[in-house]
Amino acid sequence: KQEVTQIPAALSVPEGENLVLNCSFTDSAIYNLQWFRQDPGKGLTSLLLIQSSQREQTSGRLNASLDKSSGRSTLYIAASQPGDSATYLCAVSLMEYGNKLVFGAGTILRVKS
Amino acid sequence: NAGVTQTPKFQVLKTGQSMTLQCAQDMNHEYMSWYRQDPGMGLRLIHYSVGAGITDQGEVPNGYNVSRSTTEDFPLRLLSAAPSQTSVYFCASSPWQGQKYGYTFGSGTRLTVV
Repeated sequence: KQEVTQIPAALSVPEGENLVLNCSFTDSAIYNLQWFRQDPGKGLTSLLLIQSSQREQTSGRLNASLDKSSGRSTLYIAASQPGDSATYLCAVSLMEYGNKLVFGAGTILRVKS
Repeated sequence: NAGVTQTPKFQVLKTGQSMTLQCAQDMNHEYMSWYRQDPGMGLRLIHYSVGAGITDQGEVPNGYNVSRSTTEDFPLRLLSAAPSQTSVYFCASSPWQGQKYGYTFGSGTRLTVV
């Protein structure tokens, strides 16, 4: 059974810091890995998707990497801002019928001004 | 392009009542799914569909029914609401060939069962 773990569970940093969120998964048979952002009381917004054949993806200040063989992904946020405060969720898309997503529990990020 | 639309946004039910959570997408996506999000439990898959007329159970299907008569719509029915079904429900859709394309999520339905 695929399990996804995110570390740390919570993180508080001063504005301007670069930071790394970690995601690990137990089964490498995945189609892709997706990072989402969730603001309190809101839905999920997709940030980055890394296909299983790719090593990284970048969007603005965000960079996500994927090492499928070791079952790890990182989300790097450069020059953090208070507006980055949210919960960040990692999800893997299973390589099986239905293309199902398995989520980690998330990292709660607070960027202090 | 509305994406994934969920209605209602909030709902309060009494134990034993039934209701349907609506989900519609306008992106012609084949795959659609329902998840529930609970504190400390994360997002868990309830039911999913790989196309019109095809549905299957996810991780936590008990107490819920789904149907997929069209590509666009994927309603979730609560048969007899229980307090344990108090949760936030998310609908999501994805094109076929999931490697290249990820899931798009709706804004959620916050359900309270009293």
